[in-house]
Amino acid sequence: GQNIDQPTEMTATEGAIVQINCTYQTSGFNGLFWYQQHAGEAPTFLSYNVLDGLEEKGRFSSFLSRSKGYSYLLLKELQMKDSASYLCAVRVYYAGNNRKLIWGLGTSLAVNP
Amino acid sequence: EAGVTQFPSHSVIEKGQTVTLRCDPISGHDNLYWYRRVMGKEIKFLLHFVKESKQDESGMPNNRFLAERTGGTYSTLKVQPAELEDSGVYFCASSHGQGGTDTQYFGPGTRLTVL
Repeated sequence: GQNIDQPTEMTATEGAIVQINCTYQTSGFNGLFWYQQHAGEAPTFLSYNVLDGLEEKGRFSSFLSRSKGYSYLLLKELQMKDSASYLCAVRVYYAGNNRKLIWGLGTSLAVNP
Repeated sequence: EAGVTQFPSHSVIEKGQTVTLRCDPISGHDNLYWYRRVMGKEIKFLLHFVKESKQDESGMPNNRFLAERTGGTYSTLKVQPAELEDSGVYFCASSHGQGGTDTQYFGPGTRLTVL
């Protein structure tokens, strides 16, 4: 089956660095996405990796290792507003040319002063 | 540019009633997706439209759920009759359909509670 694992909760301090891990077992891999979701709001796109390596975008970076089925999201210089749920999603090909997102449960990050 | 919008934001209905959820995608996006998140579980794919056509509806739970996208613009998702297990947050997302990333942009969701 298709499975994505990420920690349920994490806590970090304002100004620090935090790494949120995601491991996946899927078939038909076609890219990995990270989304941020504040309570009651829409998930918002953070990053996309389809090739191995690190993608950097401001304070946020995302890493992918396809051979290990592993990704992480790195958040630097944490701010209070970064307190949110971080969702790992893998896009998979199936049934010919169809693609869909398979989601993890999300990691709830609390940033403390 | 306006984002994906969904209506209503919340709906509370009794078992056996009918509810219709609406999604307005980002203008120009051919792809429209419906997802559902049940409390304590992960977000799950329901179906995918390309313009007005259903590309894939393999995630629809059963025949009590009917999705339409007449004219290839907004979409509706009707649940009739609603059951207790249909409670959850229904998300809609849209994407352009071009390029490798083809990022999906999400609406804020409709929280459905069936009593």
